[in-house]
This record gives sequence, C-alpha cells and structure tokens, in this order.
Amino acid sequence: QVQLVQSGAEVKKPGASVKVSCKASGYTFSSYDINWVRQATGQGLEWMGWMNPHSGNTGYAQKFQGRVTMTRNTSISTAYMELSSLRSDDTAVYYCARWVSKAFDYWGQGTLVTVSS
Amino acid sequence: DIVMTQSPDSLAVSLGERATINCKSSQTVLYSSNNKNYLAWYQQKPGQPPKLLIYWASTRESGVPDRFSGSGSGTDFTLTISSLQAEDVAVYYCQQYYNTPPGFTFGPGTKVDIK
Repeated sequence: QVQLVQSGAEVKKPGASVKVSCKASGYTFSSYDINWVRQATGQGLEWMGWMNPHSGNTGYAQKFQGRVTMTRNTSISTAYMELSSLRSDDTAVYYCARWVSKAFDYWGQGTLVTVSS
Repeated sequence: DIVMTQSPDSLAVSLGERATINCKSSQTVLYSSNNKNYLAWYQQKPGQPPKLLIYWASTRESGVPDRFSGSGSGTDFTLTISSLQAEDVAVYYCQQYYNTPPGFTFGPGTKVDIK
C-alpha cells in the first residue's frame, strides 16, 4: 500500500534551517510529483511547492522563493524539503503529498516544526 | 493567482441531516479543451492529514462513502454530505489545480460540527 512517512518533529531557533524528509513506499517513487503543504496551528492549508522525483525539477510558491529547496534521493525513495531563515511564523505542521494529476491522493503524517528562541 | 473562498466558515448540522459547503474561485477552473473542472475537496479531522474526497469537482475518490457528493462548474462549487454522520465532523477544504503554475491554492476551510 502507498505510504509517505515523514521525519520527526523539529525545534529550531530563528534564522536556522530545517530539513524534513518524506519516504515513499508502495509505488514507483519517480512516477509522481511530491508536493509540500504546511498548516499553522488552527489555520488552513498553504501550498509550498512541488518536485518531480524523476527529473528533480521543482516549482515553488512565490512566497517561499529563495527560502525553500526541494530535493530527492531516488535510491531510497525519499523527498526532502529544506526551509531556511526560519521565523516564528514558520511554526507549522509540514506535509508531503503525492500529486496524481487530479488531486493529492496520499499524504504524509505531518512533521511539526517549531521555531522558537 | 486564483483565490478560493468558502462559505460558511462553519456549520452545525443534526445527525442524518444534509450539510452543504460552498466554494468559489476568483476565476474559472473549467478547462474548455476537456470540459473538466480542476477542483478537489478534502476532509481533515483533528490531528490527521487531509484526506481526498472528490476530484474533477464531482468524481468521488475510491472508498469515499456515497453520502459525499460534489457539484458545480466554472467558478461555483458545492460539497454536499447528504446524511451527516458523527465521523464526518471535520474541516473541509476545496482546492483548485487549474492554475499550475504558479501553483495550487486551497480555500480557507469550512468546519462541520454536530448540532
């Protein structure tokens, strides 16, 4: 069965970077884009960007341009999202999700990133 | 960018009654070449990731109960829960995927509770 398993919670200081992983299983990793979506506590869903695991091509929401980098390691079917220059308002749950040309059909369990001095 | 709005922000419905959620896009999400609306609906329960319910505005994802239905076209869409069950308490989000790039956008969400 398809699974996306994310890395554990992180606590970071303002100005630092965080790198969250998303390990895919149950399907051919390179066949579907991985997207990242975040959600601040009690807030809605905010799309951050996408990555094509086959080509490594990426596209980022304008809000995160210059601060986010999405990469992958195809040998271990894992996608990564790194966010730099962290601020307190980056505190959120970060999700990876598989894009199948019509919707996000599978989501990771979420990774809480807390930014606090 | 396409902006998505939802109404109401929240609603409380009695068990077994109908719940209706509206979603509006700032521009059409109907792709004329294939006559498909690039609109999905998700359900999110507390502490869980979102779950896909509906795509192409009206196609139910496999395994989703048939009490969930989607309708609408162009800029105006509706998610209907025909007979609300206790397990349907959640926040519901619409999402457009017409305008990619620049990217996907979600509505702000509608919280559904039991009256």
